[in-house]
Amino acid sequence: GAGVSQTPSNKVTEKGKYVELRCDPISGHTALYWYRQSLGQGPEFLIYFQGTGAADDSGLPNDRFFAVRPEGSVSTLKIQRTERGDSAVYLCASSLIGINSGANVLTFGAGSRLTVL
Amino acid sequence: AQTVTQSQPEMSVQEAETVTLSCTYDTSENNYYLFWYKQPPSRQMILVIRQEAYKQQNATENRFSVNFQKAAKSFSLKISDSQLGDTAMYFCAFMKHADDKIIFGKGTRLHILP
Repeated sequence: GAGVSQTPSNKVTEKGKYVELRCDPISGHTALYWYRQSLGQGPEFLIYFQGTGAADDSGLPNDRFFAVRPEGSVSTLKIQRTERGDSAVYLCASSLIGINSGANVLTFGAGSRLTVL
Repeated sequence: AQTVTQSQPEMSVQEAETVTLSCTYDTSENNYYLFWYKQPPSRQMILVIRQEAYKQQNATENRFSVNFQKAAKSFSLKISDSQLGDTAMYFCAFMKHADDKIIFGKGTRLHILP
């Protein structure tokens, strides 16, 4: 697609529920990133995929958070047993190759705003 | 660990004026990248400008320029001839060379007044 697409744009759920957030990167981009932006903060790194594999998941806060990218394109961020503290905007970004090459920049989506009541 | 500090939570300037946003960072690395991102109400982060630490020359992109002071670990953004469309959150960010994580500051909310 022309840009990075994220769905849903907004999600309201109850504490303890399971949620999935989807990211559709730019076609052909091998690198995909998830960031979390809490209210009044800058984005914080969660996980980085190179192709189908998670190259760096050091930012995932705990084992309730999991992400997959089974075919190397669309990615899903999964949150189990949601807590009020999980409320945030979840941003996805992609790049042609990993930004660790230094030459590439990230294209971000508009994010999914998650509200846990 | 690297940190990025933006000391101005909010700023307002009149249209057509010049405004400077401050950013300092802390790192023991010698080779890294610095960025300024813009986040309008649409929430999409947009890269404004980037600077490689090994380059002494300050980066410029049209009305946007930076003042990179490596020894002082300072990386300010200057917006010249500000426009209403510049109204947004601006985030300063850091990335180590050959790393895959960008570390963001808390942001500065910039209002351009008509």
